[in-house]
Amino acid sequence: SQTIHQWPATLVQPVGSPLSLECTVEGTSNPNLYWYRQAAGRGLQLLFYSVGIGQISSEVPQNLSASRPQDRQFILSSKKLLLSDSGFYLCAWDFSYNEQFFGPGTRLTVL
Amino acid sequence: QKEVEQNSGPLSVPEGAIASLNCTYSDRGSQSFFWYRQYSGKSPELIMSIYSNGDKEDGRFTAQLNKASQYVSLLIRDSQPSDSATYLCAVNMNTGFQKLVFGTGTRLLVSP
Repeated sequence: SQTIHQWPATLVQPVGSPLSLECTVEGTSNPNLYWYRQAAGRGLQLLFYSVGIGQISSEVPQNLSASRPQDRQFILSSKKLLLSDSGFYLCAWDFSYNEQFFGPGTRLTVL
Repeated sequence: QKEVEQNSGPLSVPEGAIASLNCTYSDRGSQSFFWYRQYSGKSPELIMSIYSNGDKEDGRFTAQLNKASQYVSLLIRDSQPSDSATYLCAVNMNTGFQKLVFGTGTRLLVSP
């Protein structure tokens, strides 16, 4: 069966500090991978998606970037965090554009 | 108009009742529809998917789709307190890849 991992689970960072969130998927090959952000009391916003190694598409202009160095690894980064980057970051995967499954998420607080 | 709209609730139902959650969407070309359950502080969990008009049943859950009316709903029979959560409707906007657009969710409260 497939499993998706995210870490860290929670993170508190000062404004202007860098960020690196990691997501890995087990039990499948060549998945589509997605990064979402859920701000408090708001819906899920798609940030990035990837259909393969090194292939990243950005949905919204922002202070964040994504990379996919390995087939089942997806990384979300920032060079300098803003207060508005606070939120619940969710990684998701699907295979052949079917049902999407979410990881446990990382709760980021920028102070 | 928002792409996917849901009533934020809370929707309050007594234990054992039927909970009815509704969702409308704007893109008439949408082909895939999903319901996720999200407990407070947790990530969304897929509970139902539906692709064609009509009803799809899975245990206590029934998803209903009406593409002509651009409407999808989720019925929960015999509601339990453990069903208390936020239910997110997601629609594939038919952009050539699985771009899901999510509603902001309906909070369901099931009282014992």
